[in-house]
Amino acid sequence: QSALTQPASVSGSPGQSITISCAGTSSDVGGWNYVSWYQQHPGKAPKLMIYDVSYRPSGVSNRFSGSKSGNTASLTISGLQAEDEADYYCSSYTSSSTVYVFGTGSKVTVL
Amino acid sequence: QVQLQQSGPGLVKPSQTLSLTCAISGDSVSSTSSAWNWIRQSPSRGLEWLGRTYFESKWGSDYAVSVKSRITINPDTSKNQFSLQLNSVTPEDTAVYYCAREAQGATYYMDVWGKGTTVTVSS
Repeated sequence: QSALTQPASVSGSPGQSITISCAGTSSDVGGWNYVSWYQQHPGKAPKLMIYDVSYRPSGVSNRFSGSKSGNTASLTISGLQAEDEADYYCSSYTSSSTVYVFGTGSKVTVL
Repeated sequence: QVQLQQSGPGLVKPSQTLSLTCAISGDSVSSTSSAWNWIRQSPSRGLEWLGRTYFESKWGSDYAVSVKSRITINPDTSKNQFSLQLNSVTPEDTAVYYCAREAQGATYYMDVWGKGTTVTVSS
């Protein structure tokens, strides 16, 4: 099971919007609406930011939004803030015997 | 508030068994609304899902193909916890290991994570 493909790095200035892509296949991202996104600060555990493609858990800022088109999912962070600087990972359910597949990760830098 | 507390050794010798435990508070390992997962993270492999255990009228488990021959995830209802055993470890198994809760149902995501345990495989 190959990892989902994300850009290694994405950057933006405070207040700007950025989008992180997550490319998969019809067996994972494209076949199911079970894409989730996680934020990870250095030395910390991942934190759920988006689930089921576009739903935000309670307590997550509405500056974070998710979407999907075909085999590619996206996470958009609007009104970029310094605290958003972190690594971001997508994940998807997969119809292979391995239930979950993760993305390669994207480092977000706030300039 | 659900919390997961991980425990286990940080150093394991090659060919031996890696054993970690994840104690649950605020939920039950026997809940039919949750599944209990292990994930690891290393610079070379990124985030890698290893497996999960869950209760749906009976106990079930799923494992990643990459470790299926070496892994066991078991629930312990008496202590409300679950464990990971990974046999015949090599230096490639060196990673930060996380336990996580999956909100079971018609969806797939992990909403609560343990803090992580750094495990080094070395003689």
